[in-house]
Amino acid sequence: DVKVTQSSRYLVKRTGEKVFLECVQDMDHENMFWYRQDPGLGLRLIYFSYDVKMKEKGDIPEGYSVSREKKERFSLILESASTNQTSMYLCASSLSRRGKETQYFGPGTRLLVL
Amino acid sequence: DQQVKQNSPSLSVQEGRISILNCDYTNSMFDYFLWYKKYPAEGPTFLISISSIKDKNEDGRFTVFLNKSAKHLSLHIVPSQPGDSAVYFCAARLTTSGTYKYIFGTGTRLKVLA
Repeated sequence: DVKVTQSSRYLVKRTGEKVFLECVQDMDHENMFWYRQDPGLGLRLIYFSYDVKMKEKGDIPEGYSVSREKKERFSLILESASTNQTSMYLCASSLSRRGKETQYFGPGTRLLVL
Repeated sequence: DQQVKQNSPSLSVQEGRISILNCDYTNSMFDYFLWYKKYPAEGPTFLISISSIKDKNEDGRFTVFLNKSAKHLSLHIVPSQPGDSAVYFCAARLTTSGTYKYIFGTGTRLKVLA
């Protein structure tokens, strides 16, 4: 059974703080993704990575950075948190193999920036 | 520019009847389509998928239909059950230079009435 875990379920941070969201998957997946989910906007892709130390910008990368030092771990970094980054953050992973296109999601981290 | 659209934010259906959730897309380069189900405070879970070369895929009570000429797909749930009440996201995969990117719709909240 694929497991994707996220370091926190709920986080409260202050404007200007540096925030780290960690994601770990245990199925040796090549691809990992960070999304944010907001009401009426669905899931929007922030960054994704298809290999260790590789990263690609998604649709809304501004204000975020990522780190993938190990295959199983993908970190999302908010360099200076702002109130408009209050959201639900979802991490996902997937294989790069035909017939295995499904993404597996973590439980999400609800971030509140005050 | 929303490449994947779910125009109905919500849908209510009586238990035992059919639920039909719709999704439209604009990019003819999408090669795979997926449906996810999301309960509050949880990550999305994979439901069913379809390759762009097929027009139908069935898994138990769930069937996905793809109409490529209309750039439209739909998810049918028969019979609907109260446990199906959740938010459903349609997603499309784009493959570029060997990497995968998934684009999600805004979701449809399904309520199955007992």
